Amino acid sequence: AQSVTQLGSHVSVSEGALVLLRCNYSSSVPPYLFWYVQYPNQGLQLLLKYTSAATLVKGINGFEAEFKKSETSFHLTKPSAHMSDAAEYFCAVSAPQGGKLIFGQGTELSVKP
Amino acid sequence: NAGVTQTPKFQVLKTGQSMTLQCAQDMNHEYMSWYRQDPGMGLRLIHYSVGAGITDQGEVPNGYNVSRSTTEDFPLRLLSAAPSQTSVYFCASSYADRGGYTFGSGTRLTVV
Repeated sequence: AQSVTQLGSHVSVSEGALVLLRCNYSSSVPPYLFWYVQYPNQGLQLLLKYTSAATLVKGINGFEAEFKKSETSFHLTKPSAHMSDAAEYFCAVSAPQGGKLIFGQGTELSVKP
Repeated sequence: NAGVTQTPKFQVLKTGQSMTLQCAQDMNHEYMSWYRQDPGMGLRLIHYSVGAGITDQGEVPNGYNVSRSTTEDFPLRLLSAAPSQTSVYFCASSYADRGGYTFGSGTRLTVV
């Protein structure tokens, strides 16, 4: 079975500061890992994904994430926050041929001017 | 290319009523799923399907039924609505586990 834990339900950063959103996963098989973003009153948009190729994955809007098997982590980072990054971010895990995607509880990112 | 289409966008039900949330995708995706989103709880998987004629339960299936008679459609049925089912419901589809899912815009359901 797969599960995801996102550390911190709310993260606040200043504009231009580093963004770090934490995600730890549990999986009995090598996982696929994803980060999604949700802007207010909208659906979810895929930011990036890890599918067992390069461990450092680059996504849209300047975000990237690193898969660390030894730490069972897949933290999301962005070097410099922008006001438009304010949204809720979800980490998710799936397993090969499992057919289901399991989400963490989400982290709301606020960006202060 | 419409992607994943959910209808209706908003719905108010009385306790005990039944209804069907519609979901259709035009990307020929085999995988489809239903989620509910509640504050502080992320998205929880209700039911999912890996192809026409194949469905399975997710994390919170009680009170909901699904069927998958075609690749394109995956309706979610509420048998007897309860206030605890007040939520935002998302349908999503994917071509494979590694592909990531495409989400619809959601249905906001209120049960009074």
